[in-house]
Amino acid sequence: SQKIEQNSEALNIQEGKTATLTCNYTNYSPAYLQWYRQDPGRGPVFLLLIRENEKEKRKERLKVTFDTTLKQSLFHITASQPADSATYLCALALSGNTPLVFGKGTRLSVIA
Amino acid sequence: GAVVSQHPSRVICKSGTSVKIECRSLDFQATTMFWYRQFPKQSLMLMATSNEGSKATYEQGVEKDKFLINHASLTLSTLTVTSAHPEDSSFYICSARDGDRGGNNQPQHFGDGTRLSIL
Repeated sequence: SQKIEQNSEALNIQEGKTATLTCNYTNYSPAYLQWYRQDPGRGPVFLLLIRENEKEKRKERLKVTFDTTLKQSLFHITASQPADSATYLCALALSGNTPLVFGKGTRLSVIA
Repeated sequence: GAVVSQHPSRVICKSGTSVKIECRSLDFQATTMFWYRQFPKQSLMLMATSNEGSKATYEQGVEKDKFLINHASLTLSTLTVTSAHPEDSSFYICSARDGDRGGNNQPQHFGDGTRLSIL
C-alpha cells in the first residue's frame, strides 16, 4: 500500500543548530513534493516545492532535497530559531492536478 | 500571495444540527478546491475534491450524503456536515490551487480551518 512516513513525530534541537526532517514514501511515483508548516489550530502554510527532476531547492534558511531513487526528501532549517517551532508536513502529488497526500508531520521544537 | 479564507473558524453545536463551512479564494480563481479533515496529532486526510460547476469527487469511506459539497463559483466552495454527531467533531480545512496559473505543480493554499465540536 502507499505510505508517506515522516520518521520523527517530534524533534527537539538547540537554537542556532540545523534541523533536518525526513520524509520517506513507498509505492508512489510523485511528480513533485511539497513541504508545509502548520501551527496549532491553523491551516498549513506552503514553504517549498521540489519537482521530480530537481535534486535540491533553497529558500532563505530552508533547503529541501529530493532523491527519487531512495524515495526520500530531506528538509533542513539552518540557524534555527525558536520561531521555527511548528509541525512540518511533507506532501506528495502524483501529477499536477491531483490533490496532495500528507504525511503525519514532525513537530519541531527549537529551544533557546 | 494567494489567500484562502475559511469561515467560521469554530463551531460548537448540538448533535443533529447541520453545519455549513465556507471556503473562499480571495485573490485568485479556483476551479478545484479540496476538503481535508484532521484529527489531533494526525495527518490531513483528503475528504473530497470540489469541482466548480460539477459534482464533487469523494474519497473512499467518505459519505457524500453526510458531507455535502457545493462549488457554485470559481471563488467559493461550501461543505455542509448534515445531521452532525459527536464523531464528526474534527478540524476541517479547505484548500485551493490558483487555476489561472495553470494548476500544474502549483502549491495548494489552505484556509485556517474550522474546529467543529458536536455536543
